[in-house]
Amino acid sequence: GEDVEQSLFLSVREGDSSVINCTYTDSSSTYLYWYKQEPGAGLQLLTYIFSNMDMKQDQRLTVLLNKKDKHLSLRIADTQTGDSAIYFCASSANQAGTALIFGKGTTLSVSS
Amino acid sequence: DVKVTQSSRYLVKRTGEKVFLECVQDMDHENMFWYRQDPGLGLRLIYFSYDVKMKEKGDIPEGYSVSREKKERFSLILESASTNQTSMYLCASRIDRGDSPLHFGNGTRLTVT
Repeated sequence: GEDVEQSLFLSVREGDSSVINCTYTDSSSTYLYWYKQEPGAGLQLLTYIFSNMDMKQDQRLTVLLNKKDKHLSLRIADTQTGDSAIYFCASSANQAGTALIFGKGTTLSVSS
Repeated sequence: DVKVTQSSRYLVKRTGEKVFLECVQDMDHENMFWYRQDPGLGLRLIYFSYDVKMKEKGDIPEGYSVSREKKERFSLILESASTNQTSMYLCASRIDRGDSPLHFGNGTRLTVT
């Protein structure tokens, strides 16, 4: 079946940039999402990108998409301790009535 | 803002009990989903519903059933709870359109003893 893969852990120092990577297999993936999950909470949508875009920037967040390699990344500039969380990448085909496919999540740990 | 509400944050049940997990959304979304989340396994789709009274099996439907009698409510049922169903359960909803993101509830942490 279709798959989304992420590295499981990332550790950075406060003030550094964090880059979380994701690869997906479904060539029909039209929308790619990044979600954040803080301890004990549900998933919160951070940002998303349409497959005909290469980059999207939203304040401290930059999403880069390499459609040829099916590679997605999320860069967090000036990482803060409040950014410590699990980050999930997800893909969706442009088709109603279907479910998103999620990666296993990357745990970001920010030390001061 | 979309609100997805799961009726319980924490539940403790005994093996063999019938368990109901309730989820309500207030944005008239057609699609609703149940996932379970386990360490190292990420989110796994149990069931989803694309409309009232419609349901589709996800990746791990065994041991679960669902009910969607009203558009705003999607229930997950554990017919006979087992210890391997101890997990975090997440409900989500979205508009029935391919570019629409999922909106999640805060989750229900179920412990089966």
